[in-house]
Amino acid sequence: EDQVTQSPEALRLQEGESSSLNCSYTVSGLRGLFWYRQDPGKGPEFLFTLYSAGEEKEKERLKATLTKKESFLHITAPKPEDSATYLCAVQAPLGYGQNFVFGPGTRLSVLP
Amino acid sequence: GAGVSQSPSNKVTEKGKDVELRCDPISGHTALYWYRQSLGQGLEFLIYFQGNSAPDKSGLPSDRFSAERTGGSVSTLTIQRTQQEDSAVYLCASSPRAGGPYEQYFGPGTRLTVT
Repeated sequence: EDQVTQSPEALRLQEGESSSLNCSYTVSGLRGLFWYRQDPGKGPEFLFTLYSAGEEKEKERLKATLTKKESFLHITAPKPEDSATYLCAVQAPLGYGQNFVFGPGTRLSVLP
Repeated sequence: GAGVSQSPSNKVTEKGKDVELRCDPISGHTALYWYRQSLGQGLEFLIYFQGNSAPDKSGLPSDRFSAERTGGSVSTLTIQRTQQEDSAVYLCASSPRAGGPYEQYFGPGTRLTVT
């Protein structure tokens, strides 16, 4: 069974304190790994898609990287507005159905 | 442009009643997904549509749940004889097409409370 886990479950940072969130997956034949941000009471907001090991993508203070078994979301000098739940999802190969498998998320709090 | 919209935003219903939840995807997006998110939990896949057909219904929790999509656009998720365990936020997402990988764009969700 395809599995996606995320760690830590929750993370509290001081403003400016850089850190990383982890997403580990067991799906074989990965077609894509996605990072989303979800604010309370809202739907997830797309951040990045990564397709193959070694790929990196950046957006403002966020940088996502991908290996064969995990992805990291690095947050550099975070600000309070970066507080949210960060979700990762993997898309399995064709034939598994088109469903995405989401991880449980990491709840990030950035304190001023 | 307009994003994914869902209605109603909140729905309170009595146990045993039927409910219909609506999703309007981004114009031109052919793939549409329904998820359920319980309090503090991750997203649970329910069903996906490519056009008007549903190749993958594997996530529907019981035969009380059904969904349809018409005109390759609007989708309705129907829950019959609602139970308290159906209480959750129901999220809809659309994607340019299936067979991706293509990112999904989510609506704001419908919060369903069964009393």
